[in-house]
Amino acid sequence: DGGITQSPKYLFRKEGQNVTLSCEQNLNHDAMYWYRQDPGQGLRLIYYSQIVNDFQKGDIAEGYSVSREKKESFPLTVTSAQKNPTAFYLCASEGYNEQFFGPGTRLTVL
Amino acid sequence: GENVEQHPSTLSVQEGDSAVIKCTYSDSASNYFPWYKQELGKRPQLIIDIRSNVGEKKDQRIAVTLNKTAKHFSLHITETQPEDSAVYFCAANDSGGSYIPTFGRGTSLIVHP
Repeated sequence: DGGITQSPKYLFRKEGQNVTLSCEQNLNHDAMYWYRQDPGQGLRLIYYSQIVNDFQKGDIAEGYSVSREKKESFPLTVTSAQKNPTAFYLCASEGYNEQFFGPGTRLTVL
Repeated sequence: GENVEQHPSTLSVQEGDSAVIKCTYSDSASNYFPWYKQELGKRPQLIIDIRSNVGEKKDQRIAVTLNKTAKHFSLHITETQPEDSAVYFCAANDSGGSYIPTFGRGTSLIVHP
């Protein structure tokens, strides 16, 4: 299960706090993505990045922010503006039209 | 943009039976259709994919069919086993630009021993 990692596995946050989810890949992939997964909702795209120092909003970007300062890293910040942040977050990278997913971070807002 | 519908949301079968999951897409430009399997608590993993220049692809007990005219594609699992129990996602992508697949909502497959 190497190649793309996420940390932490579980994260608890108080309302009003920002939190940052880590995503790292050693696959030398240019493209990286963040998805949110809720029961019965499938995978919804939050942000994606095709290249270093560039990223684009996905379908549900409100309340989230990202950065792409290095090819290997694509951290996601869940801000206090995100009204319903409790969810399972998946990071992915893409090579030759195949997406490789990280193990996910389960975020719970207390 | 692309819209992918997936049915059923839940599928329960007996071990040894076949299972079929169906997806429809809206964008006729889509030409790549992957299927992912996500076991409970784990990451999605690609299990099979098909491109629009073929109508069917098989890999042991799983197969995918594509009907471009009707804009639908299906996953077929034969001789199901309890370890096939998982959530399956279909996706569609137009490879003409950036790789941004649109996913279906998933099908929870339960295989009863």
